[in-house]
Amino acid sequence: EDQVTQSPEALRLQEGESSSLNCSYTVSGLRGLFWYRQDPGKGPEFLFTLYSAGEEKEKERLKATLTKKESFLHITAPKPEDSATYLCAAPGNQAGTALIFGKGTTLSVSS
Amino acid sequence: KAGVTQTPRYLIKTRGQQVTLSCSPISGHRSVSWYQQTPGQGLQFLFEYFSETQRNKGNFPGRFSGRQFSNSRSEMNVSTLELGDSALYLCASSLVVGTDNSPLHFGNGTRLTVT
Repeated sequence: EDQVTQSPEALRLQEGESSSLNCSYTVSGLRGLFWYRQDPGKGPEFLFTLYSAGEEKEKERLKATLTKKESFLHITAPKPEDSATYLCAAPGNQAGTALIFGKGTTLSVSS
Repeated sequence: KAGVTQTPRYLIKTRGQQVTLSCSPISGHRSVSWYQQTPGQGLQFLFEYFSETQRNKGNFPGRFSGRQFSNSRSEMNVSTLELGDSALYLCASSLVVGTDNSPLHFGNGTRLTVT
């Protein structure tokens, strides 16, 4: 069964303290790995798509990387405005699935 | 460019009632998907429409239905509401059908509470 698992569930950082969020997947024939950011009371906002192992994409303080088993979202020198829930997702293969989302990592950055 | 618009933002209904949620996609986007988000299950796929046709359907009971109009706007309906239907219902649009090459762009959702 296709699965996407994120860890940790919650992460508290001090402003400027870099860290990484993990997304592991068991989806055969991966056809893309998506990262989203979700703020409270809002819908997920698209960040990145990664397609092949070794691929990296960056946006401001965020960098997403992909291996054959997992993806990482690296946050460099985070600011309080980076506080949000970060979701990763992958297209599923089973009937009745579209994007399979992980449960998310809730990041809190304090000043 | 306007984003995905969902109405209403909040709804409170009673068990047994039915509800209709509305979604207007980004201009030019022809695919609309619906997801249910709950604290326990996260985001779960409901269905996807493209050119007024349902292209994919998730594992939800038949009480959940949807449709898409010729202008790409979409509605979803839940009949005979149950307490467990309380959730954030998210609509997302994309340029093409399927999730491989076209990222989903989400609206801010409709928060449904069933009492």
